[in-house]
Amino acid sequence: KQEVTQIPAALSVPEGENLVLNCSFTDSAIYNLQWFRQDPGKGLTSLLLIQSSQREQTSGRLNASLDKSSGRSTLYIAASQPGDSATYLCAVRGSGYSTLTFGKGTMLLVSP
Amino acid sequence: DAGVTQSPTHLIKTRGQHVTLRCSPISGHKSVSWYQQVLGQGPQFIFQYYEKEERGRGNFPDRFSARQFPNYSSELNVNALLLGDSALYLCASSLFDRATEAFFGQGTRLTVV
Repeated sequence: KQEVTQIPAALSVPEGENLVLNCSFTDSAIYNLQWFRQDPGKGLTSLLLIQSSQREQTSGRLNASLDKSSGRSTLYIAASQPGDSATYLCAVRGSGYSTLTFGKGTMLLVSP
Repeated sequence: DAGVTQSPTHLIKTRGQHVTLRCSPISGHKSVSWYQQVLGQGPQFIFQYYEKEERGRGNFPDRFSARQFPNYSSELNVNALLLGDSALYLCASSLFDRATEAFFGQGTRLTVV
């Protein structure tokens, strides 16, 4: 059974800092990995999708890497802003099923 | 283009009642999945439908059921509601059944009292 762990559970940083969110998964047989952002009480916004054959993806100030063999992914946020405050969720899509398995998320607070 | 739309946005039901949640996927997307998210946890998979066929079912009781219509919209039904069913119910849309990006709606907040 796939298990996804996100570290840290919560993170508080001052505006302007670069930061790294970590995601690990137990079964390396995945189709892809997706990072999402969730604002309180809201739905999920897709940030980045990394296919299993890729090593990283970039979108603006966000960069996500994938090391499938070690079961790890990182989300790098450059020059953080207060508007980045949200919960960030990592999800993997396994090879046997087409469902997403989520971690519990990292709650990020960026203070002005 | 409209994203994934879910209705209603909020719902309050009494224990034992039945509820129907609705989801319209992004135009052209043929796969719809349902997830349950309780406070402080990541979403948990409930169902996936692709081309109107059930492709996967999570570890939820038979009180939960779903279906997909010819226009690819979907309904999630929950019978005999329990207090523990209180959660944010999320619908995800994707082009195909795997290996493609999932896009989520804003969710339906269900409160069972």
